Amino acid sequence: GESVGLHLPTLSVQEGDNSIINCAYSNSASDYFIWYKQESGKGPQFIIDIRSNMDKRQGQRVTVLLNKTVKHLSLQIAATQPGDSAVYFCAENIIQGKAGGTSYGKLTFGQGTILTVHP
Amino acid sequence: SQTIHQWPATLVQPVGSPLSLECTVEGTSNPNLYWYRQAAGRGLQLLFYSVGIGQISSEVPQNLSASRPQDRQFILSSKKLLLSDSGFYLCAWATSGQINEKLFFGSGTQLSVL
Repeated sequence: GESVGLHLPTLSVQEGDNSIINCAYSNSASDYFIWYKQESGKGPQFIIDIRSNMDKRQGQRVTVLLNKTVKHLSLQIAATQPGDSAVYFCAENIIQGKAGGTSYGKLTFGQGTILTVHP
Repeated sequence: SQTIHQWPATLVQPVGSPLSLECTVEGTSNPNLYWYRQAAGRGLQLLFYSVGIGQISSEVPQNLSASRPQDRQFILSSKKLLLSDSGFYLCAWATSGQINEKLFFGSGTQLSVL
């Protein structure tokens, strides 16, 4: 079946370096993508999102790039800090339909990349 | 502002015992609600979602059930727990009526079935 996956399960960087976390998706119907950060024992925290009609979106120290041609998503973290150490998940949202007049989607998550930042 | 509460944070239960995990959302009305399970070192698997009171959709056949007795309350239950039910359970909400849904997660419940 269609799924979201990650190229690298682990990534180690030095503090101050830029980090790039990659994600491949296979569902061409996906129209919305999200990156989450999950620290140990906690729920995932929203980082940044991007719609399929965009190629790039920037936040504070983070940039998400979307390449629909090759179905590739990446998260760039500038000047990585030790506090950025966590598991990062990409997720794609597929609209499921409507129920009771409201639309709803389903997020499918990748397996995650462990980012370790060394001081 | 919207907040999501999930409890308990940790739970140790014997095999065959019942389960009830509760999740409540504040600061929003008619949210879409979700239960996810996360195995150690793995991604998130969607278990149930609900678009309204009494409306539950199950994603995978399993030993668990979900209920939504009130607009902002979502409950995950089991009559008899199995060892394989161990995991990290996450409740999440999203704004209904939105085309692109951003999920907001609770802090999770670490369930150990022994």
